[in-house]
Amino acid sequence: NAGVMQNPRHLVRRRGQEARLRCSPMKGHSHVYWYRQLPEEGLKFMVYLQKENIIDESGMPKERFSAEFPKEGPSILRIQQVVRGDSAAYFCASSPRINLGSYEQYFGPGTRLTVT
Amino acid sequence: DQQVKQNSPSLSVQEGRISILNCDYTNSMFDYFLWYKKYPAEGPTFLISISSIKDKNEDGRFTVFLNKSAKHLSLHIVPSQPGDSAVYFCAANNAGNNRKLIWGLGTSLAVNP
Repeated sequence: NAGVMQNPRHLVRRRGQEARLRCSPMKGHSHVYWYRQLPEEGLKFMVYLQKENIIDESGMPKERFSAEFPKEGPSILRIQQVVRGDSAAYFCASSPRINLGSYEQYFGPGTRLTVT
Repeated sequence: DQQVKQNSPSLSVQEGRISILNCDYTNSMFDYFLWYKKYPAEGPTFLISISSIKDKNEDGRFTVFLNKSAKHLSLHIVPSQPGDSAVYFCAANNAGNNRKLIWGLGTSLAVNP
């Protein structure tokens, strides 16, 4: 399966714990995006990364949230000291480096985070 | 401020008929539009896109129309099939805005046999 991989698919954390969500982009893709979908809402952009570089983090909450995309390995979205309001589906998407005038992003299956 | 609006939360269509899903946007800087389909517990799947230099793009049963003056686009599915039942999201991109997609809230399409 050469698609975008996310793990875990489901994650349960108690309030105050840390959540780590992983995303492996499609082969050949070097751009990664994280989105969050709260219940009854659409997808909201969080952050856009390239290898070792955060390009746009305008959608990230100012505190407790961080993201990285290291030279080797998957992209990680980290949420520290989780609260109930962090419960949501978190989707990762990737796109290729070369811009051929199209902007399609390809999505993983998502990680459903539940904070108890 | 919802820059991409899908005003119909749901739509029900008979199998074989046309499904028309609508999307309006407010930001005149958007220059690329995409439609995604999403099944429960899965990630969105890319369907079709259109650049602002075009007014129509067709791919099999799916056609997207863009009316820039009205800031409106629509997705036509002909003929509709039960497997098309899903939530459809409209998304827009401003090429100068680091490629992040701005999403509508989605329209849930039910195609009845």
